[in-house]
Amino acid sequence: NAGVTQTPKFQVLKTGQSMTLQCAQDMNHNSMYWYRQDPGMGLRLIYYSASEGTTDKGEVPNGYNVSRLNKREFSLRLESAAPSQTSVYFCASKRGTANEQFFGPGTRLTVL
Amino acid sequence: GQQVMQIPQYQHVQEGEDFTTYCNSSTTLSNIQWYKQRPGGHPVFLIQLVKSGEVKKQKRLTFQFGEAKKNSSLHITATQTTDVGTYFCAGPLNSGNTPLVFGKGTRLSVIA
Repeated sequence: NAGVTQTPKFQVLKTGQSMTLQCAQDMNHNSMYWYRQDPGMGLRLIYYSASEGTTDKGEVPNGYNVSRLNKREFSLRLESAAPSQTSVYFCASKRGTANEQFFGPGTRLTVL
Repeated sequence: GQQVMQIPQYQHVQEGEDFTTYCNSSTTLSNIQWYKQRPGGHPVFLIQLVKSGEVKKQKRLTFQFGEAKKNSSLHITATQTTDVGTYFCAGPLNSGNTPLVFGKGTRLSVIA
């Protein structure tokens, strides 16, 4: 099992460009999450999908959209990137209600 | 909304010294989880505590969940260089299958 995979690992964008961060898990987990991590700010939830077919906003959703394509895949889209979106983005998944989260390796995004 | 506070933000110790990080929630938690993130890596689940007053040990790591289920601590005995990283606590936003709220983490440096 690969666990949680994310692509790309690194990305540099110019202000105003768009891109999609991809996330996939092969553990048959129901719930998937997108976080951003900035120095001193911990992990902040952007969007999550409690189950296939549903998505909900987290703490910092502005400037992002998500798609739960199927049970395995959960993508995060930046429609018009801004320098404030420079961050490390982590995707995570978990099986059920009170279970551990499994994190992907992260995408390091720089917006110039 | 619910907040999870962690202290200290940083801790520098000599190898062999003990280390403790504390986590406090503004609301009662159904459970609390602890994660470790090595420098440049992704968060990895360490443990989950569910019962009031629960204490669990993993080798040199001791985890406690407060009687009121609003605070928790992680204590490392005789730190080693392999303990370097950031330790996060996290609690569910609400009951049921809801996202976790992460503390901002405690970054541990171990001086050999």
